[in-house]
Amino acid sequence: DIQMTQSPSTLSASVGDRVTITCRASQGIRSWLAWYQQKPGKAPNLLIYEASHLESGVPSRFSGSGSGTQFTLTITSLQSDDFATYHCQQYHAYPWTFGQGTKLEVK
Amino acid sequence: QVQLQQWGAGLLKPSETLSLTCAVYGGSFSGYYWSWFRQPPSKGLEWIGEINHSGGAKYNPSLKSRVAISVDTSKNQFSLKVTSVTAADTAVYYCARARDKGLVEWSIWGQGTTVAVSS
Repeated sequence: DIQMTQSPSTLSASVGDRVTITCRASQGIRSWLAWYQQKPGKAPNLLIYEASHLESGVPSRFSGSGSGTQFTLTITSLQSDDFATYHCQQYHAYPWTFGQGTKLEVK
Repeated sequence: QVQLQQWGAGLLKPSETLSLTCAVYGGSFSGYYWSWFRQPPSKGLEWIGEINHSGGAKYNPSLKSRVAISVDTSKNQFSLKVTSVTAADTAVYYCARARDKGLVEWSIWGQGTTVAVSS
């Protein structure tokens, strides 16, 4: 299985900040990576697909980059609605696997 | 607006069979991949398996011997069965649909079903 490792596990930030979350794959996955946002008690919400493509309806302050084994999710000008847990997921090879999640909390 | 609604038993005893169903409202069933995920308490997401509208399924090897996913196109539903459950199967289970036909990015999700396994 391809192992996905996110860092940091927890990130403290304030409204208006720019934040970056990193996801590393244990082997090359080209650009087959998605980012999801999840709020407590809710299902995940797709933000980014193919590493850098913004899902329809997702605010433009979210962006993704990377290919191969190293990927980042960036949120510019953090809003109060953005405090949540973020998951990366590879879909280069079965079984699809997720990172352990990054909790973005209020500083 | 496509919506997924899921249901199934929420409390099981060890060795019983977990059974969940996900109904698709407001959209086509054909051409899409349909998947099941789970999330144990305070842990990350795990992909369980997926199926296409024709019934072709793929499973996570970690669960493969105990899992079956099926479709009922006449009812626009797909289902998950996990046999011989243990406490390790306690989790919130989600069904999901891919973003577009032939793709495997998961953009539409059910509301989640909490399943607890306890004697």
